[in-house]
Amino acid sequence: SQELEQSPQSLIVQEGKNLTINCTSSKTLYGLYWYKQKYGEGLIFLMMLQKGGEEKSHEKITAKLDEKKQQSSLHITASQPSHAGIYLCGADSLKWGNTPLVFGKGTRLSVIA
Amino acid sequence: DAGVIQSPRHEVTEMGQEVTLRCKPISGHDYLFWYRQTMMRGLELLIYFNNNVPIDDSGMPEDRFSAKMPNASFSTLKIQPSEPRDSAVYFCASSLFPSGSYGYTFGSGTRLTVV
Repeated sequence: SQELEQSPQSLIVQEGKNLTINCTSSKTLYGLYWYKQKYGEGLIFLMMLQKGGEEKSHEKITAKLDEKKQQSSLHITASQPSHAGIYLCGADSLKWGNTPLVFGKGTRLSVIA
Repeated sequence: DAGVIQSPRHEVTEMGQEVTLRCKPISGHDYLFWYRQTMMRGLELLIYFNNNVPIDDSGMPEDRFSAKMPNASFSTLKIQPSEPRDSAVYFCASSLFPSGSYGYTFGSGTRLTVV
């Protein structure tokens, strides 16, 4: 079965600093999804990546997919307290997407003033 | 649409008691998923339904866990009897398709504590 490993497990950054979270898959990635979870709340969809080399941005968050390395990265520029939360990557385990998403364990981000 | 609605938000129960978690998916979503989140194991899929029919329950940890979806607008996850190791946050999500391409909408979760 497919497994997703996220690194780091937790991260504390000073407000205004940049940071990167990585997600590495044990198998070929057909679709990679980033979600954010605020403490005590559900998951909110951030971005979807489906093609090798694809890069998407939303406000100050950029995600990239390196299909050959079976890896995705999430980069936050000039972090703000509103970025704090748990970031999870999810993946389609089959090419045609007929199975539910599997998720990594998440990266817990804290942003301090 | 109000999104995926889960109840209760918090549940504290004694070991051995029956616990029932509830979920109302988004209208029109054919797929409903139950996930469990713990620090140790992350977010694990327990079971998912398609058009109210259970498709894969291989993630259900033990016979103490059962899930039903009697109609398109309601699902329950029951634990009987509950044990302290069942303490976790349980999420319900719904989607048009099982693939993530069309987005999963998650509920706010039920935080279960078994003492």
